[in-house]
Amino acid sequence: GESVGLHLPTLSVQEGDNSIINCAYSNSASDYFIWYKQESGKGPQFIIDIRSNMDKRQGQRVTVLLNKTVKHLSLQIAATQPGDSAVYFCAEKGAAGNKLTFGGGTRVLVKP
Amino acid sequence: EAGVAQSPRYKIIEKRQSVAFWCNPISGHATLYWYQQILGQGPKLLIQFQNNGVVDDSQLPKDRFSAERLKGVDSTLKIQPAKLEDSAVYLCASSQTTDTQYFGPGTRLTVL
Repeated sequence: GESVGLHLPTLSVQEGDNSIINCAYSNSASDYFIWYKQESGKGPQFIIDIRSNMDKRQGQRVTVLLNKTVKHLSLQIAATQPGDSAVYFCAEKGAAGNKLTFGGGTRVLVKP
Repeated sequence: EAGVAQSPRYKIIEKRQSVAFWCNPISGHATLYWYQQILGQGPKLLIQFQNNGVVDDSQLPKDRFSAERLKGVDSTLKIQPAKLEDSAVYLCASSQTTDTQYFGPGTRLTVL
C-alpha cells in the first residue's frame, strides 16, 4: 500500500552546519510532495513543495531534492539555526484528489 | 492573512463523554480537512470537505466520529462517545484549489 517513511527519527546538528532530512516513498504514482515543520504545541507549517516533474527546488535556506528512480525525497537546511529545531514531516499526494499521506517525522535538534 | 483558527486548544474528558472541536479555515479556501495526530506520528486524514460536501471520509470512524461543514466555511468535528485511544491532537487544515494545505494550531484531546 501507500507509505511515506523517514530514515532517521532524530537528527542532531551543530548550529551553523547544514542538515539533511531523508524520506522514502513507495507510491510511484505520487505527483506532489511537501515538507512540513512542526514545533511543539503547533500545527505543521509549510516549508517547501515539489512536483514530480522536477528534481530540485530551492527556497530560503532550504532545498528539496526528489529522486524518482529510487523514490527518495530529501530536505536540506543550510546554516541550521536554533529556530530550526522541530519535527519535520514529508508528505505525498497521489494523482487523484488532494489527500496527503504523511510520514512518521524526524526530530531535528540544533546544538548551540 | 489570518490563518486557520481552531478551538478549544485543549480538552480533557472522561471516556464515554462527548466532545466537539471547531475550525474556521482561511478565508476563501474551499477545501477543509480534519486530521488526527497521535503523539510521535504524522497526521492522519479523517475527513475532507470541498465546500460543504464530503470528498473523503474513508478513515473516519463513523460509529463515533462525525463532522459537518454546513455553510461551506466553519466546520465542527464531534466524538461521541470518546475512547481512551482517541487521545490525540486534532488538526484542521484548509486549501484553495492548489495542493498546499495550511494547518491550524490543533486541539489537544486527552481522554481519561
